[in-house]
Amino acid sequence: DAGITQSPRHKVTETGTPVTLRCHQTENHRYMYWYRQDPGHGLRLIHYSYGVKDTDKGEVSDGYSVSRSKTEDFLLTLESATSSQTSVYFCATRENTEAFFGQGTRLTVV
Amino acid sequence: AQTVTQSQPEMSVQEAETVTLSCTYDTSESDYYLFWYKQPPSRQMILVIRQEAYKQQNATENRFSVNFQKAAKSFSLKISDSQLGDAAMYFCAYRSLLGGSNYKLTFGKGTLLTVNP
Repeated sequence: DAGITQSPRHKVTETGTPVTLRCHQTENHRYMYWYRQDPGHGLRLIHYSYGVKDTDKGEVSDGYSVSRSKTEDFLLTLESATSSQTSVYFCATRENTEAFFGQGTRLTVV
Repeated sequence: AQTVTQSQPEMSVQEAETVTLSCTYDTSESDYYLFWYKQPPSRQMILVIRQEAYKQQNATENRFSVNFQKAAKSFSLKISDSQLGDAAMYFCAYRSLLGGSNYKLTFGKGTLLTVNP
């Protein structure tokens, strides 16, 4: 398995607070992604990165920002958490064809 | 933008029998990748099989095979000799090979497969 670690694995936070999720990889993959998974929606792309400091928006990027200052780390920040951002968040990496996924972070906004 | 449609929210199969999960996609591109991912209750996303659009031969991986119909934009997954461990959510995914959209996977909404003993 690709070395992808997401932290934290579970988090409960209050509405209006900022939250940062971390994705760390040991594979030196160029591409990194943040997805959210919700029932009935599958996985939807939030943001992605195609290199250090190179990021772009996905289909559900409102309310989220990302940063990638090193190849191995891709941070997802919820600037002011809302209940609609309660979800399971997945990080993925890719170098060539196949994407590898982290184990997911379950985030609950109360 | 590409879209991926899985028309079966849930499917069930008897152990040892065969089941086929459907996936259709919409694209104007000629070269791309298609994937099936499995997500068991552990939540881990596991690649089951992949297909390159330029290859006419259908991909197979042990008990898993696909029926890739490029003209019809159809990519179904067949699971033979179903096992209890096959019970999971299955996602179909598309990846373009062109330009900026090359970077991302587009997923369907998933099909929940139940395997009955």
